[in-house]
Amino acid sequence: EPEVTQTPSHQVTQMGQEVILRCVPISNHLYFYWYRQILGQKVEFLVSFYNNEISEKSEIFDDQFSVERPDGSNFTLKIRSTKLEDSAMYFCASSLRPGQVHGYTFGSGTRLTVV
Amino acid sequence: SQKIEQNSEALNIQEGKTATLTCNYTNYSPAYLQWYRQDPGRGPVFLLLIRENEKEKRKERLKVTFDTTLKQSLFHITASQPADSATYLCALDLDNQGGKLIFGQGTELSVKP
Repeated sequence: EPEVTQTPSHQVTQMGQEVILRCVPISNHLYFYWYRQILGQKVEFLVSFYNNEISEKSEIFDDQFSVERPDGSNFTLKIRSTKLEDSAMYFCASSLRPGQVHGYTFGSGTRLTVV
Repeated sequence: SQKIEQNSEALNIQEGKTATLTCNYTNYSPAYLQWYRQDPGRGPVFLLLIRENEKEKRKERLKVTFDTTLKQSLFHITASQPADSATYLCALDLDNQGGKLIFGQGTELSVKP
């Protein structure tokens, strides 16, 4: 069954450093998403991306965050200057269209720890 | 204020019984409601989706109901197995074209042999 692949699985970074989280969505999917889950809390929407532009973003997704689809297969989330409170699991997801028929396919996540 | 709430406590049931999980929401008008399974340290896995004009949906041992008047969805697992032990998340899809899901906090289900 097709999968969404995320790398790295774990990332430890110093506060103030830039991080890039990488995702390879399912190949024929057109819509891409980033969510995050702080330990013990809900899964929270960050951003959706379609046709090489952001479709929607949450309040969390401020100027420190950016997304990019640099080639035909990768989808990245960049955090420019990490803060302690950015520590969380970050999940990439994709769908053929907004998940109104088949839901969304999530990756296994990147655990980001900011120290 | 807008809220989405699931059974706050963990649910412990005996193998073979039916597990029923609840998702309640206020001040939302979702077009769709989705249920996901999440295992520790893993991403959510899509299980079922139900539309606002559907009352019930089934898939194998899973059944979802959706009552837009009560603003509630129930998720049932019949003939439960230890392998069903996981956290189950409900998520609202407001059909705003951006694909944003609003998740509940999840209910942890434990099925004992």
